[in-house]
Amino acid sequence: DTAVSQTPKYLVTQMGNDKSIKCEQNLGHDTMYWYKQDSKKFLKIMFSYNNKELIINETVPNRFSPKSPDKAHLNLHINSLELGDSAVYFCASSLSTSRDTQYFGPGTRLTVL
Amino acid sequence: AQTVTQSQPEMSVQEAETVTLSCTYDTSENNYYLFWYKQPPSRQMILVIRQEAYKQQNATENRFSVNFQKAAKSFSLKISDSQLGDTAMYFCAFMKDGGGGADGLTFGKGTHLIIQP
Repeated sequence: DTAVSQTPKYLVTQMGNDKSIKCEQNLGHDTMYWYKQDSKKFLKIMFSYNNKELIINETVPNRFSPKSPDKAHLNLHINSLELGDSAVYFCASSLSTSRDTQYFGPGTRLTVL
Repeated sequence: AQTVTQSQPEMSVQEAETVTLSCTYDTSENNYYLFWYKQPPSRQMILVIRQEAYKQQNATENRFSVNFQKAAKSFSLKISDSQLGDTAMYFCAFMKDGGGGADGLTFGKGTHLIIQP
């Protein structure tokens, strides 16, 4: 019974390609997030969605676009992949707003060649 | 903007010892939450402990406890009777009380904790 799941766990692709990472949570949470963990293990927020509405966007390039078909899913689409996009991407969710603990998915390691 | 500083990139202790990981933060907020997350080699981010800034009592979870000093903006994690399974990266994180908007976590750079047999 995985609470927050991501697919795929590993993604290897060429520069210039377009790819998507899927995230699903079965916790009934209203808010979902995407974080990027770089090669030095530093984690940084990219997006959050609350009831299908984008709440924050932390100066992420517009090649990255979150899409939420419903409140249980928040997918990350990346266009024209660059070498610097190589990282681990984590999805997370929380019950509602900023008082609630965030629970993370297992991460997706993206490698751009 | 908030910043979180973990000054110990790596620590190593013997099994069964007690170890303390340090974390300091900078914020102008009065209401916020602090967390310690653990990331073992499996990569999964696991919540270890959470502290509400308005609570004076330090949070504890079994062998894990924190020393929260609000005035000093310090939030250290103590692991008692350390076990081999505690080997992991430990991240300190800050979240402000947004009062309605969803906010992300601000993370420190992490401390790699190694428990030696």
